[in-house]
Amino acid sequence: QKEVEQNSGPLSVPEGAIASLNCTYSDRVSQSFFWYRQYSGKSPELIMSIYSNGDKEDGRFTAQLNKASQYVSLLIRDSQPSDSATYLCAVFPPGGSYIPTFGRGTSLIVHP
Amino acid sequence: DGGITQSPKYLFRKEGQNVTLSCEQNLNHDAMYWYRQDPGQGLRLIYYSQIVNDFQKGDIAEGYSVSREKKESFPLTVTSAQKNPTAFYLCASSIDRTGVETQYFGPGTRLLVL
Repeated sequence: QKEVEQNSGPLSVPEGAIASLNCTYSDRVSQSFFWYRQYSGKSPELIMSIYSNGDKEDGRFTAQLNKASQYVSLLIRDSQPSDSATYLCAVFPPGGSYIPTFGRGTSLIVHP
Repeated sequence: DGGITQSPKYLFRKEGQNVTLSCEQNLNHDAMYWYRQDPGQGLRLIYYSQIVNDFQKGDIAEGYSVSREKKESFPLTVTSAQKNPTAFYLCASSIDRTGVETQYFGPGTRLLVL
């Protein structure tokens, strides 16, 4: 059974701080990793993807991947109240199987 | 303007009634998916389709049916056999870009039972 684990939270950080969201996965051969943001009552929105070990930066967001330790993280710098949402981690296996495994999500609250 | 559309935004079902949720995409994506999301829960896969006229059951297919007659359309029918259909239903599509999948979601349909 492929699993993707996330701390459900909520993770509460003050405005301007760095929020760190973590995700671990069980399938060692997983190839592609995605972070989605989901506001309450809305559908998930893709915000970051990462495929290789190391860091990938996009504006205030940095995704970090460590395949040896089987974890992927998302850092949000200068957190804003508008970042308050649930963040979903998704993992795709290799070989074009088309079926991702999603974590249950971490709720982030950024307070002024 | 490309994207995934779902309709209706809200849907009410009476006991014993079948209802159909629409999902259309103009992104020319090959694969399409249906997920169910319950409050505080993760996404659960209902059905997926990789090509036209072919689809596969996901983890919770019982009480649901789908069709894939056109590449851009993947409607989901919630049958009367689904005893607890109240949930947020999400349609998604994906395309293999240089061997890597990227999945995008529609806005969702919220189904409520009267």
